[in-house]
Amino acid sequence: GENVEQHPSTLSVQEGDSAVIKCTYSDSASNYFPWYKQELGKGPQLIIDIRSNVGEKKDQRIAVTLNKTAKHFSLHITETQPEDSAVYFCAASIRGGGTALIFGKGTTLSVSS
Amino acid sequence: GAGVSQTPSNKVTEKGKYVELRCDPISGHTALYWYRQSLGQGPEFLIYFQGTGAADDSGLPNDRFFAVRPEGSVSTLKIQRTERGDSAVYLCASSSDTLQPQHFGDGTRLSIL
Repeated sequence: GENVEQHPSTLSVQEGDSAVIKCTYSDSASNYFPWYKQELGKGPQLIIDIRSNVGEKKDQRIAVTLNKTAKHFSLHITETQPEDSAVYFCAASIRGGGTALIFGKGTTLSVSS
Repeated sequence: GAGVSQTPSNKVTEKGKYVELRCDPISGHTALYWYRQSLGQGPEFLIYFQGTGAADDSGLPNDRFFAVRPEGSVSTLKIQRTERGDSAVYLCASSSDTLQPQHFGDGTRLSIL
């Protein structure tokens, strides 16, 4: 069935370093790939997304890359700050149309000062 | 403006009881989604509404789960004969249409004793 694999499950970096989280998906019909940040006790917050007709998208310190041939997409955070510490989820649209999302299992990012 | 609002924030009930979880989407959002998130996992799709109709309910785990959205705004997720395995955070998201990003509420934490 449809699946999204996310790695690593935990990531610890020093403040100012870069962090990279990688995901792979199985459904070749997936065409929308959002990334969410979730803090304890809160709902997921959309931080960036990319559609299948684009290979890269950047928003300040955050960038996402997509390789449709390999079914890979990645989140890059530069100049990390302690407030970036949270759980990050990648997701991919399934069943077409960008409706239902299937999520990875999450990456717990810890940024130490 | 207000984000997605979910009530109650916490619900504790006994096995076998009936529960209703409410979601108020962002004003004007026509698409509404329910997800379930177990501890340490990513959200899992349950059902999606476009307007008043359930366009995709393929994620509902069994017939004890049912959701309505009678006027195309507020939605209620209903669980009959609750089981301990139903314990999770139930998340609601909305989007302005199916091609737009989904914005999540903070969820209802459901605990079945």
